[in-house]
Amino acid sequence: GAVVSQHPSWVICKSGTSVKIECRSLDFQATTMFWYRQFPKQSLMLMATSNEGSKATYEQGVEKDKFLINHASLTLSTLTVTSAHPEDSSFYICSARMSAVGGYGYTFGSGTRLTVV
Amino acid sequence: AQKVTQAQTEISVVEKEDVTLDCVYETRDTTYYLFWYKQPPSGELVFLIRRNSFDEQNEISGRYSWNFQKSTSSFNFTITASQVVDSAVYFCALWLDSSYKLIFGSGTRLLVRP
Repeated sequence: GAVVSQHPSWVICKSGTSVKIECRSLDFQATTMFWYRQFPKQSLMLMATSNEGSKATYEQGVEKDKFLINHASLTLSTLTVTSAHPEDSSFYICSARMSAVGGYGYTFGSGTRLTVV
Repeated sequence: AQKVTQAQTEISVVEKEDVTLDCVYETRDTTYYLFWYKQPPSGELVFLIRRNSFDEQNEISGRYSWNFQKSTSSFNFTITASQVVDSAVYFCALWLDSSYKLIFGSGTRLLVRP
């Protein structure tokens, strides 16, 4: 079945540094990838949608300059949290779609727990 | 407006009890997809089921069953004879082609006590 690999699974970084999270579709081409953020005991909130070769579409309230998304190939999307601060500590999870058909082929990565100290 | 409501924040049951998790959705689209995911403490999302808006047949998979009723815009999830391993947060989600987004409910935390 479709597998999405996300790493690192957890990362601790110092305030002010940048962190890159990778999301790879292992056995399929993902034309679209989605990035979610989940604060403790809360739901998943969509941050942005990225299509291969084009700029990401960010949800309202998500800072584009802080959360840089790159989707340079059909199998890789990256999220870079720039100048991270403690309030950016969260669980970040990506997902990839393998088909343009609605609702199908929607696979999640295992998530990255980011702690900024 | 598109929205998914999971009114039950937390449910606690004793092992072997049956438990139903409620999900109510809102959309004006005629074509949509509904999902249930399980999120154990490790954090990953485990896909449980996908149902499209044209298929109102209820589904049973082992101890899991789903009741989809368009008339009440509900897609409820029942676990029969619950087990401790069922303890997790369960999310209901709605996909719309019109918005190209998967919208999650707030989740229901299920605790199954031995």
